[in-house]
Amino acid sequence: KAGVTQTPRYLIKTRGQQVTLSCSPISGHRSVSWYQQTPGQGLQFLFEYFSETQRNKGNFPGRFSGRQFSNSRSEMNVSTLELGDSALYLCASSPAQGLNEKLFFGSGTQLSVL
Amino acid sequence: AQKITQTQPGMFVQEKEAVTLDCTYDTSDQSYGLFWYKQPSSGEMIFLIYQGSYDEQNATEGRYSLNFQKARKSANLVISASQLGDSAMYFCAMREGLGTAAGNQFYFGTGTSLTVIP
Repeated sequence: KAGVTQTPRYLIKTRGQQVTLSCSPISGHRSVSWYQQTPGQGLQFLFEYFSETQRNKGNFPGRFSGRQFSNSRSEMNVSTLELGDSALYLCASSPAQGLNEKLFFGSGTQLSVL
Repeated sequence: AQKITQTQPGMFVQEKEAVTLDCTYDTSDQSYGLFWYKQPSSGEMIFLIYQGSYDEQNATEGRYSLNFQKARKSANLVISASQLGDSAMYFCAMREGLGTAAGNQFYFGTGTSLTVIP
């Protein structure tokens, strides 16, 4: 079974631009979550989609948005990029939402904002 | 208040020795799950071990065990017989609630960088 696939692996943008990151979950997984990882901050929850509906949203500005398609693939969009948006963006999928269900992570997209 | 606290930014351990990585958590929920993930330099997060709040036994997965002390709200990871490949960042995480209602929001600590010395 293929793992969680994130594209692109690396991205360089300039301030003010917008960016779209893509995530393909493991086949059969209906939940997709996004996390931002910066050095010293750990992983910060962005949002989670389940069956095309956003179920949870973290404490991020409205410039961060996402969506999930009927095939469970998800995209994350960041508009009007700021220098502080430079981070590793991790996508994770899981088959359900039970308390013991672990997240399966992709390798991430490293975003650099210049 | 931080939901997950990892107080050891960096740790060193001799190869073949055991090491304990500390994790404390903060929640008022009765039902919650605790997870440990490993992140090598490649960036991908690898699941190691899970402990449910109602589990009476400490979880074990091969060389990994979780020292769960509910009253102290701690969930320390113990790695026995360390190997060079264990060098990585280690993150403690928690999911609150009954899963379905709470969705899939995980709270992560800031991580501990483990270096295994030959």
